[in-house]
Amino acid sequence: AQKVTQAQTEISVVEKEDVTLDCVYETRDTTYYLFWYKQPPSGELVFLIRRNSFDEQNEISGRYSWNFQKSTSSFNFTITASQVVDSAVYFCALSEARRGNQFYFGTGTSLTVIP
Amino acid sequence: SQTIHQWPATLVQPVGSPLSLECTVEGTSNPNLYWYRQAAGRGLQLLFYSVGIGQISSEVPQNLSASRPQDRQFILSSKKLLLSDSGFYLCAWLGGPSYNEQFFGPGTRLTVL
Repeated sequence: AQKVTQAQTEISVVEKEDVTLDCVYETRDTTYYLFWYKQPPSGELVFLIRRNSFDEQNEISGRYSWNFQKSTSSFNFTITASQVVDSAVYFCALSEARRGNQFYFGTGTSLTVIP
Repeated sequence: SQTIHQWPATLVQPVGSPLSLECTVEGTSNPNLYWYRQAAGRGLQLLFYSVGIGQISSEVPQNLSASRPQDRQFILSSKKLLLSDSGFYLCAWLGGPSYNEQFFGPGTRLTVL
């Protein structure tokens, strides 16, 4: 079974629009971590954020915000006022402490921001 | 600060040829190391991970192997490449304040012809 599901394969938005990338996870652990990574065309994965399972506070960093809801097992990522430089593939990931920090990645969402 | 290196950056190899990709980490000791493969347009597939020298765990049985001859060196190998081995190979190490964040190298793009 897929532990991390990113149902949106591709999204296109016009510059300055807001966009939300969905991530749903599955785990039986009480201690786990959730991540978002950005993969620009160059290929290297860039770490964006980490949340632990005990902290459901939403986080905002500039134009980026993250909504963590344990009740729905979701960790969604919103980009406000999107820019062309936001075009990339975004991966959501889950790490279970019980499993020695092994990471499970979603299949990624390809975001294209049209100027 | 910690950095992670991978080489080569790109590689074109014929089917049946051997493979050796290298990953090294600087600025940390005894890191957990990981090899992932990303096929074109697909997600990340964990291939191997290592918690120490000589300790390798394989996640997906295939014609690839991994070795960790030194603390900060992780090598991905194959004796005979298949067409299906083409992809983008990423090395990662586990770090961060609680040692549960993965940081990735620049990757190696492998094309098997």
